Amino acid sequence: DAGVTQSPTHLIKTRGQHVTLRCSPISGHKSVSWYQQVLGQGPQFIFQYYEKEERGRGNFPDRFSARQFPNYSSELNVNALLLGDSALYLCASSLVRQGGQGRKREKLFFGSGTQLSVL
Amino acid sequence: DAKTTQPNSMESNEEEPVHLPCNHSTISGTDYIHWYRQLPSQGPEYVIHGLTSNVNNRMASLAIAEDRKSSTLILHRATLRDAAVYYCILRDLNTGNQFYFGTGTSLTVIP
Repeated sequence: DAGVTQSPTHLIKTRGQHVTLRCSPISGHKSVSWYQQVLGQGPQFIFQYYEKEERGRGNFPDRFSARQFPNYSSELNVNALLLGDSALYLCASSLVRQGGQGRKREKLFFGSGTQLSVL
Repeated sequence: DAKTTQPNSMESNEEEPVHLPCNHSTISGTDYIHWYRQLPSQGPEYVIHGLTSNVNNRMASLAIAEDRKSSTLILHRATLRDAAVYYCILRDLNTGNQFYFGTGTSLTVIP
């Protein structure tokens, strides 16, 4: 089975432009999350979608938006790009399983990311 | 979610065991301990996770302290392909929808 695929792999934009990043989850995974990773830091959570509904949002401005489609693929949109938006954008899909004692188990599977450079 | 503390970097000789520590003194009873690693130019990949008991899988072992305030990821025989940044993450699956990655531990494997 194919893993999580992201497109494009690299992207160069200028300040003020907008960008759309795409993600296809592993077949059967209904949850997609987006993370931003600035050079030298760990990934920072942006959004999670499950069954086409937003289930979580990180501390990012409203310029960042996302959506999930009926086939569970997802898009991350960033408007009015700033230099500071330059980063690796990671998509992760997951299959939420019900574990013992009612606890949910979730393992993230990441794509290789989209490297966005804002000039 | 509670936070974790890891050393910034560690070195290991090839084919020797590696013990990567993680402190999580504010862990709650419903927090799972997850480990992910990120190889150069790739997204993070799952390594192992546990709640209270020690865990083993084909990649590594996870030793969890009795009071759960710390844990150790054990790579039994480090290879050059294990050179990566290792992240220790606490996750409450009952309430949280996100994984909090810190800055992790950068592991260098010396041939």
